[in-house]
Order: sequence, then structure tokens, then C-alpha cells
Amino acid sequence: QKEVEQDPGPLSVPEGAIVSLNCTYSNSAFQYFMWYRQYSRKGPELLMYTYSSGNKEDGRFTAQVDKSSKYISLFIRDSQPSDSATYLCAMSAGRGSTLGRLYFGRGTQLTVWP
Amino acid sequence: DSGVTQTPKHLITATGQRVTLRCSPRSGDLSVYWYQQSLDQGLQFLIQYYNGEERAKGNILERFSAQQFPDLHSELNLSSLELGDSALYFCASSVVGGRDFTEAFFGQGTRLTVV
Repeated sequence: QKEVEQDPGPLSVPEGAIVSLNCTYSNSAFQYFMWYRQYSRKGPELLMYTYSSGNKEDGRFTAQVDKSSKYISLFIRDSQPSDSATYLCAMSAGRGSTLGRLYFGRGTQLTVWP
Repeated sequence: DSGVTQTPKHLITATGQRVTLRCSPRSGDLSVYWYQQSLDQGLQFLIQYYNGEERAKGNILERFSAQQFPDLHSELNLSSLELGDSALYFCASSVVGGRDFTEAFFGQGTRLTVV
């Protein structure tokens, strides 16, 4: 069993829909939880990060972490065609500056159609 | 543009050969990470260097090796290549120090095809 599980999709939604992406994990030591976005033929870029449990909102994006269930989510409101990409969850057991290696989910491919 | 530069962008080589992938981290970043991305495995951590020294090792094969030079650029050497080594290889860099979260910035990757 991989340490981070993520449904690869693909997920296809109409413009304006609310998108829900999620990951589960098995390592209780994970402290930082990240969402990366990867466009085709590009490197991943950080979208949001959360430390420990809780919610974090940034514009149309909301990240949620439930450490008791080992479950994290990313919600995208009012989705746009430009949101079409692969979304990868990532986690780290490091503390702050010693973030160290990241453990990635396989990524969920999202398409938002006009 | 993340500021992390990887060369070459594409590489096609035959089985049994050896290749070197190069990474220049963002200015000021002391830590370099190498990841392999394949369709079936996703992004897998290979190795991390910090200021010239190996800091952490992941699922890196013995046929693979890496190093970080005094100017902080890094090279990933892949030898005795097999068809299954075909993948995207990403380099990432980050500032390591202080107490706050430090983002890892990824390069655009090197696409390796072994034929």
C-alpha cells in the first residue's frame, strides 16, 4: 500500500461546478499537507499548503485536512477551463524548514469544459 | 518560470547506455531534490542534497547516482539504462533554514526515453 492514495480520475466537470479532490494517507507523522497543480508538460507548482489539521482558503480554493481520518481535500469553487490540469496532493513529515522529501499522490486529472 | 533550470528537456537513448541530467536550483536555494514521474508510479522521491551533502535517499536504484557541486547545481547520473527507466525526471529546490514553511520549486523536467 502506498503511503498516499489519490484517485487518478479523470474528472470532467462543466465550468462553474464545484470540484472536490481528495487523498488519504497512512503515515501519522505527516505534518505538512500540500496541493500541487501540474499542467501538461510542465513541472508541478504549489497551489496551497496546510500545517496539521484545519481549513485554509485562498480565493476559489479551499484545502481541508482531517488528521484523525488521515484524509485531505481540495475544493475548487466556480471552476474555470484554466483550472484544467493534474492536481497532486503531497505530504511531508518534516518540520518547517526541514520539509525534506515529499510524498505525492498519483494525481487527479481534471478537465473543466466551457 | 520557477527559477529551477533542467537540461536537457528531452533525451532519447538506448538500453544499456548512461546519461546525465543537470539541474540548476533557484538562486539562494541550498537544497536540491530529484523526483521520477512515471504513469504507473506517479512522482517518486529519489534523493535530496543540501549544500553539497546527501541529506535523504528514497527509492533510488543502485544504477542511479547524484551529486551536488560547490556552485549548488546538481547532476543525476543514470547508467545501464532499461526500458523501464523511461520517465520524467524532475529537480526541485528549496531554501532550508529558519522555522517557516519552505516551498519546493520544481523545474520543467527532463523527459527520458529509453529505446
